[in-house]
Amino acid sequence: SAVISQKPSRDICQRGTSLTIQCQVDSQVTMMFWYRQQPGQSLTLIATANQGSEATYESGFVIDKFPISRPNLTFSTLTVSNMSPEDSSIYLCSVIAGTGGGGSYEQYFGPGTRLTVT
Amino acid sequence: AQSVAQPEDQVNVAEGNPLTVKCTYSVSGNPYLFWYVQYPNRGLQFLLKYITGDNLVKGSYGFEAEFNKSQTSFHLKKPSALVSDSALYFCAVRDGINAGNMLTFGGGTRLMVKP
Repeated sequence: SAVISQKPSRDICQRGTSLTIQCQVDSQVTMMFWYRQQPGQSLTLIATANQGSEATYESGFVIDKFPISRPNLTFSTLTVSNMSPEDSSIYLCSVIAGTGGGGSYEQYFGPGTRLTVT
Repeated sequence: AQSVAQPEDQVNVAEGNPLTVKCTYSVSGNPYLFWYVQYPNRGLQFLLKYITGDNLVKGSYGFEAEFNKSQTSFHLKKPSALVSDSALYFCAVRDGINAGNMLTFGGGTRLMVKP
């Protein structure tokens, strides 16, 4: 299993500013992801955070708006840049962890960071 | 490509009654199916999964889900609902066992259990 913590748990930010969200995992994981959950909506994958290389972004998300760092196998940050009210969402860190094949991999989620942009 | 549909935005049920939250999926390979629950102001919590074997899967908090290959469904069920079960439920699918395959989530179903 994997236990994930995120900081901050919530924040209220002004339009035009940036916020960096931290994700810490209690074990080394290869695959780490960032999701966005807009109010009342499902989860949308923002990007895969790759250790030692640039993140892989999904369609509709760009590095300039959502820069991601992954300095090691237990930590990642997501920055929401030049924020607007449309960025108000819950941002979730997620990892895949497991012991091997046969479907034993599980995807775990952090508690989320609730961002409100005013 | 893989996709998940949760046809109901909200399900209302009285406490003590059985509940069903519906989910259908589409994958090109073997489906690996999951249910997650999200309580207010909390992250996603894993409830149960189907990988292979028995079509009826038992999970946390008394929930179970039935895999039906012919109907491509994986409905979540509980024999007797509790008020504390009120939350947002997400069905998810992964195509195959490769850890590199991401989960695709349904739109979510809000379960409201009335006392």
